[in-house]
Amino acid sequence: EVQLLESGGGLVQPGGSLRLSCTASGFTFSNYAMSWVRQAPGKGLEWVSALSGSGGSTYYADSVKGRFTISRDNSKNTQYLQMSGLRAEDTAVYYCAKANIMVVLGYFDYWGLGTLVTVSS
Amino acid sequence: SYVLTQPPSVSVAPGQTAGITCGGNNIGVKSVHWYQQRPGQAPVLVVYDDSVRPSGIPERFSGSKSGNMATLTISRVEAGDEADYYCQVWDSSSDHWVFGGGTKLTVL
Repeated sequence: EVQLLESGGGLVQPGGSLRLSCTASGFTFSNYAMSWVRQAPGKGLEWVSALSGSGGSTYYADSVKGRFTISRDNSKNTQYLQMSGLRAEDTAVYYCAKANIMVVLGYFDYWGLGTLVTVSS
Repeated sequence: SYVLTQPPSVSVAPGQTAGITCGGNNIGVKSVHWYQQRPGQAPVLVVYDDSVRPSGIPERFSGSKSGNMATLTISRVEAGDEADYYCQVWDSSSDHWVFGGGTKLTVL
């Protein structure tokens, strides 16, 4: 059974940093691209970032480029999202999502339950 | 940047058919995927590659595409179908995944 478990969310001040983790199980982690998708309170889904199965290709939404860094450790079945320069508008539930193929393309066949990030003073 | 347009809300009586549209420029050449998100829950894939249902998704859910519009159709709507529905594509010109704004399905 595929499981994705996010962690690392919490309250952070504007301008601060936070690292999210997503630990996967139930599939061969390195064979699939992974992504982060966020949802601000009462709003829709917003794609944030993605990386290929090898981690060699990374992609970012314009809203986070230059502030967020996505990475993965295939030996630990874990992907990360390092967030810096956080703003109030980054407040959201952050979901970890598994793509259906190794390259960044296609669709998300599994999602985690999400972790809440609140940016506030 | 690529934009997907969905109606904010759709209402339907139980047992009737609901159609949720997703419009985008040249969407005909892209693969469209649909997600259901019940209140307080994570999204769930209900249709991929325009019209394919993942295992475990009822046959009542179907997808189609024509011209610049994709449609998610839910037949014989049930109370449990009440949720937000999102369409999604991969935009190769920007190397971005794109979601529609979401449609809230209300079962009357």
